[in-house]
Amino acid sequence: DVKVTQSSRYLVKRTGEKVFLECVQDMDHENMFWYRQDPGLGLRLIYFSYDVKMKEKGDIPEGYSVSREKKERFSLILESASTNQTSMYLCASRIDSFYGYTFGSGTRLTVV
Amino acid sequence: SQQGEEDPQALSIQEGENATMNCSYKTSINNLQWYRQNSGRGLVHLILIRSNEREKHSGRLRVTLDTSKKSSSLLITASRAADTASYFCATGPPGGSEKLVFGKGTKLTVNP
Repeated sequence: DVKVTQSSRYLVKRTGEKVFLECVQDMDHENMFWYRQDPGLGLRLIYFSYDVKMKEKGDIPEGYSVSREKKERFSLILESASTNQTSMYLCASRIDSFYGYTFGSGTRLTVV
Repeated sequence: SQQGEEDPQALSIQEGENATMNCSYKTSINNLQWYRQNSGRGLVHLILIRSNEREKHSGRLRVTLDTSKKSSSLLITASRAADTASYFCATGPPGGSEKLVFGKGTKLTVNP
């Protein structure tokens, strides 16, 4: 069964810390995505990557960066965490636009 | 930028009844997808329907797509308590873009 694994289910970080959220997929998918999900706002795309070392900004990239050094791993980086980045973060991958996404279980990040 | 909009926002039914959720969108699409999210978890892909298809079935799920009205519906027949979840539609833009745009979801409660 295909899998997308997010390294942490819950994280608590302090304001100003550099935060790394890791996502690994075992399906050899080209495309990987990071979304955040907030009540009343739904899912919003932060960044996505369609190949190793390639990345594109989504709708809300401010305050975030990403890294994709290997095909199976896509990292989301909060350079200096702020309280408004408290959210549920969801990683997903897929082969191409003819298929659905496979999501990880999510990381609930709290910035205090 | 939110594209799909689900209706209703919340739906409560009894076990055994059918549940219908609707999704409307604004611009042309390549495909439309439905996802389920159990509380606090990642999303699970349910079904994908292409812009040249009108209806699709998968088990107890039936999806319709009306591109002239820019709308889709998801029907869950003979609902079960385990169907309790939030359901999201997501649209894939034309031109083969990899980005999906998600609606804010319908929260379905199936009472035993």
